[in-house]
Amino acid sequence: GQQLNQSPQSMFIQEGEDVSMNCTSSSIFNTWLWYKQDPGEGPVLLIALYKAGELTSNGRLTAQFGITRKDSFLNISASIPSDVGIYFCAGQNSGGSNYKLTFGKGTLLTVNP
Amino acid sequence: KAGVTQTPRYLIKTRGQQVTLSCSPISGHRSVSWYQQTPGQGLQFLFEYFSETQRNKGNFPGRFSGRQFSNSRSEMNVSTLELGDSALYLCASSLNRGTSNYGYTFGSGTRLTVV
Repeated sequence: GQQLNQSPQSMFIQEGEDVSMNCTSSSIFNTWLWYKQDPGEGPVLLIALYKAGELTSNGRLTAQFGITRKDSFLNISASIPSDVGIYFCAGQNSGGSNYKLTFGKGTLLTVNP
Repeated sequence: KAGVTQTPRYLIKTRGQQVTLSCSPISGHRSVSWYQQTPGQGLQFLFEYFSETQRNKGNFPGRFSGRQFSNSRSEMNVSTLELGDSALYLCASSLNRGTSNYGYTFGSGTRLTVV
């Protein structure tokens, strides 16, 4: 089955630093999504990418859909303490009977004030 | 508007028992999916419901089942609970099948502990 490799597993950074994380897949996806999960809560959608090569921003967050459709990255600029949490990538192939999301294992981000 | 509501938030059950979890999607959303989250396996797809029909099922044993009602509310049931079923169970809704412009919206989950 499809697998997503998300890296790094964890990051410990200073407030104000930029952060980059990425996901690679053994097969292609039509959609890439990035979620953030806070303790005790469900994942919250940050950015959705629908086209290969697409670069999308949401405030200090920027994500790109890889041209091969097998990878995506998420950048966070000028990190702040509330950026702390677990970030997940997810891929989806829409169409046919299968609309499930396949998730990476997550990147735990810690921001030191 | 109200988000995805999952009840109960926490549940403790004994091995061998069964459990039913509930999910109320965002008003107007017709697709509901369920995911299991554990530290070891991460987020794994359980099943998807649309128009009261199961459209897709993940790689879980038959002890895991679900249904969707005419108002799009969904329930999942786990019978003969095992210790390994302890997890955060997440429900996600979307307007239609596939990714809407806003992707899937997740609830806060039900934390199930099997003892």
